[in-house]
Amino acid sequence: SQKIEQNSEALNIQEGKTATLTCNYTNYSPAYLQWYRQDPGRGPVFLLLIRENEKEKRKERLKVTFDTTLKQSLFHITASQPADSATYLCALRLSGSARQLTFGSGTQLTVLP
Amino acid sequence: DTGVSQDPRHKITKRGQNVTFRCDPISEHNRLYWYRQTLGQGPEFLTYFQNEAQLEKSRLLSDRFSAERPKGSFSTLEIQRTEQGDSAMYLCASPLAGGGNEQFFGPGTRLTVL
Repeated sequence: SQKIEQNSEALNIQEGKTATLTCNYTNYSPAYLQWYRQDPGRGPVFLLLIRENEKEKRKERLKVTFDTTLKQSLFHITASQPADSATYLCALRLSGSARQLTFGSGTQLTVLP
Repeated sequence: DTGVSQDPRHKITKRGQNVTFRCDPISEHNRLYWYRQTLGQGPEFLTYFQNEAQLEKSRLLSDRFSAERPKGSFSTLEIQRTEQGDSAMYLCASPLAGGGNEQFFGPGTRLTVL
């Protein structure tokens, strides 16, 4: 069966360190992989997209990697800040589908001051 | 603010009642999605519109659920005879045009069925 797993439900790190979140998938062939941030009581907010033929994407303090052989994406936040505390969701858009996104269950990141 | 609005933000209802939610997407986006999110889970796809046509529905969308987008602008999601298991956040999203499909989500409607 198809499955998307995010490494842990919760991750605590110290301010200034790099947070690394993992997204693994099975039995998918995604065209794109996306990362979203979600704060409590709010809708997800788009952060980054990476295509199947790309290895790495960066945006300010964010970096995403995509390994279609390992079926894994890593999401890094460098120089983390307490304001980065949120739930981070990975999502796949499958090839040839109606283009809906399939989401993982998210990782709740807490950056401790 | 993503430009997608949803109304109401919160709805508390008794089991067996009908509820209707509204979504106003970004005006120039012709595609619109509804998702449902329960606590500790990611959003799950419910249904998809391109303009006024409902092109895909998830098996999660039982016959108690109906969605419309009559003029290809705003959309409504109705749940009839609500059940406690319908309690969730209902999210509307409209994507950018083009292949990436980055989605702009509304703030959601939090439904609580007592």
